[in-house]
Amino acid sequence: GQQVMQIPQYQHVQEGEDFTTYCNSSTTLSNIQWYKQRPGGHPVFLIQLVKSGEVKKQKRLTFQFGEAKKNSSLHITATQTTDVGTYFCAGPTPNDYKLSFGAGTTVTVRA
Amino acid sequence: NAGVMQNPRHLVRRRGQEARLRCSPMKGHSHVYWYRQLPEEGLKFMVYLQKENIIDESGMPKERFSAEFPKEGPSILRIQQVVRGDSAAYFCASSPRGVEKLFFGSGTQLSVL
Repeated sequence: GQQVMQIPQYQHVQEGEDFTTYCNSSTTLSNIQWYKQRPGGHPVFLIQLVKSGEVKKQKRLTFQFGEAKKNSSLHITATQTTDVGTYFCAGPTPNDYKLSFGAGTTVTVRA
Repeated sequence: NAGVMQNPRHLVRRRGQEARLRCSPMKGHSHVYWYRQLPEEGLKFMVYLQKENIIDESGMPKERFSAEFPKEGPSILRIQQVVRGDSAAYFCASSPRGVEKLFFGSGTQLSVL
């Protein structure tokens, strides 16, 4: 079955620094979605990428979908304490009804 | 427009009891998904339902677990004869068009004593 993997599992960042988290799928994805879950909270949709090579920006967050539509990345610049949480990527396969989530990257920020 | 409503937020059960978790999707959403999350782990798909139909239950154990989404009323995830290993956070999500942009509820934290 489809597997979605994320690295790193944990990211400890100094406030103000940049970092990138990566997502890889064992199969080609029709789209890739990113969600953020704050500690004690529920996952919240951030963005969806559909096209091969697509890049989208949300303020300090840059999302990219790979050319082969099997990998994605999230880059955060000038990390702030509000960025704390776990970032999940998720994707369906073209003929699949369910959204498979990666294990997430948990981000902590040192002030 | 109210978000996805789950209740209860916290549920404590003794081993062998039944747990019923409820989820009311957002207005206009006919697709409901249930996920299970253990501490510091990802979201594990359990079941996908549309009104009155189970579309995919491949992530749900065949024994003791069942789900429904009736024509009227909330979706229900039922766990019979709970065991300690069932302790987890159970999240419900809904969407208007299937596997696109899921809206999650606040979850039900199930604790089995």
